[in-house]
Amino acid sequence: EVQLVESGGGLVQPGGSLRLTCAASGFTYSSFWMHWVRQGPGEGLVWVARTSDDGTIRKYADSVKGRFTISRDNAKNTLYLQMNSLRVEDTAVYFCVRADNYRFDFWGQGSLVTVSS
Amino acid sequence: QSAVTQPRSVSGSPGQSVTISCTGTNSDVGAYDYVSWYQQLPGKAPKLIIYEASKRPSGVPDRFSASKSGNTASLTISGLQPEDEGDYYCCSYAGTYTSFVFGTGTKVTVL
Repeated sequence: EVQLVESGGGLVQPGGSLRLTCAASGFTYSSFWMHWVRQGPGEGLVWVARTSDDGTIRKYADSVKGRFTISRDNAKNTLYLQMNSLRVEDTAVYFCVRADNYRFDFWGQGSLVTVSS
Repeated sequence: QSAVTQPRSVSGSPGQSVTISCTGTNSDVGAYDYVSWYQQLPGKAPKLIIYEASKRPSGVPDRFSASKSGNTASLTISGLQPEDEGDYYCCSYAGTYTSFVFGTGTKVTVL
């Protein structure tokens, strides 16, 4: 059974940093591109970042470029999102998502990040 | 990255059909057949229900169908059931730079 379990969310002040972690299991992790998608309170889904199966290709939404870094450790079946210079508007539930040929076929349960003073 | 537009809400009685549109541009929806649809039930993570514009993953009921024409994709729920109530999002691949863009989301209400 495919499982994606996020952790690391919490309350942080504007300008602060946080690292999200996603533990993957139930599939050959190193064979899939992985993504982060977020959802602000009462808002829609927004694509945030993606990484290739080997971690060499990384792409970001304009809204987080230069502040967020996606990475992965295929030996540990783990995906990361390092978030720096956090803003109030980054407040959201962050989903770890597996991609299979341009479709998001499995989603984690999400991790809440709240940026507030 | 401009948003792909969906109606804010649609509603129907049990057994009826509803259709949700997803209007993008010739840089996203119109450029690729990589349009997918997601169902998000209250308090849950999104679930894939359609991929590559019209294909259903195994386990998704065949009352969910979809199509694409030009810059607009559409999702139809036939034989609406109470458990279909929730939010629905389309998503389109938009090239190597933009990557992916989600629709604005549609709330489906079963009357």
